[in-house]
Amino acid sequence: EVQLVESGGGLVQPGGSLRLSCAASGFTFSTYEMIWVRQAPGKGLEWVSHISAAGGTIYYADSVKGRFTISRDNAKNSLYLRMDSLRADDTAIYYCARLEMATIQWYYYYYVDIWGKGTTVTVSS
Amino acid sequence: IQLTQSPSSLSASVGDRITITCRASQDIRNDLGWYQQKPGKAPKGLIYAASRLQSGVPSRFRGSGSETEFTLTISNLQPEDFATYYCLQHNSYPALTFGGGTKVEIK
Repeated sequence: EVQLVESGGGLVQPGGSLRLSCAASGFTFSTYEMIWVRQAPGKGLEWVSHISAAGGTIYYADSVKGRFTISRDNAKNSLYLRMDSLRADDTAIYYCARLEMATIQWYYYYYVDIWGKGTTVTVSS
Repeated sequence: IQLTQSPSSLSASVGDRITITCRASQDIRNDLGWYQQKPGKAPKGLIYAASRLQSGVPSRFRGSGSETEFTLTISNLQPEDFATYYCLQHNSYPALTFGGGTKVEIK
């Protein structure tokens, strides 16, 4: 079964750090680009970060740039999100997700086809 | 690129046909998908490339549109379709943008 399972969430004080993990199974993890998406309580979805299949290309939303670090270990089928200098507005459910790509008439279309169940991060004193 | 969904919420009955709109702040070709999220659950993919169904998605879901205006139509609304729906653009890949969401409630 294709599956993504996040872990590492919890309660942390403002200014603190946390490392989220996402364990992938049921597919060839090393061939897929991966993303993190978050959802603040009662709010919509927000893309956080992207990493290429080999890990060499990385992008961040402006809201987390300079504070969050995405990485992956393809030998361990795992995706990570290191979060530093956490703020109250980082409080959210964090989802890891697989990015699928379809080629239609020589054009690439990207979409999320597999989502984890999420891990909750609460930043509060 | 900003995505604006309308309405933000709607009430409908089982069997109804509903339409949700997603407007992009600039031309994004057809680089848009739709996602469904039920309370307490992760999102689920419905549509990609504006109009193509993801695997396993019922045919009562239909996506259309291009450039700056897109719609998600659900025909013969079923009880399991009451959820919040989000559009997502990848024209600015790898930076992605979600719309604000549309909550579909039972009338």
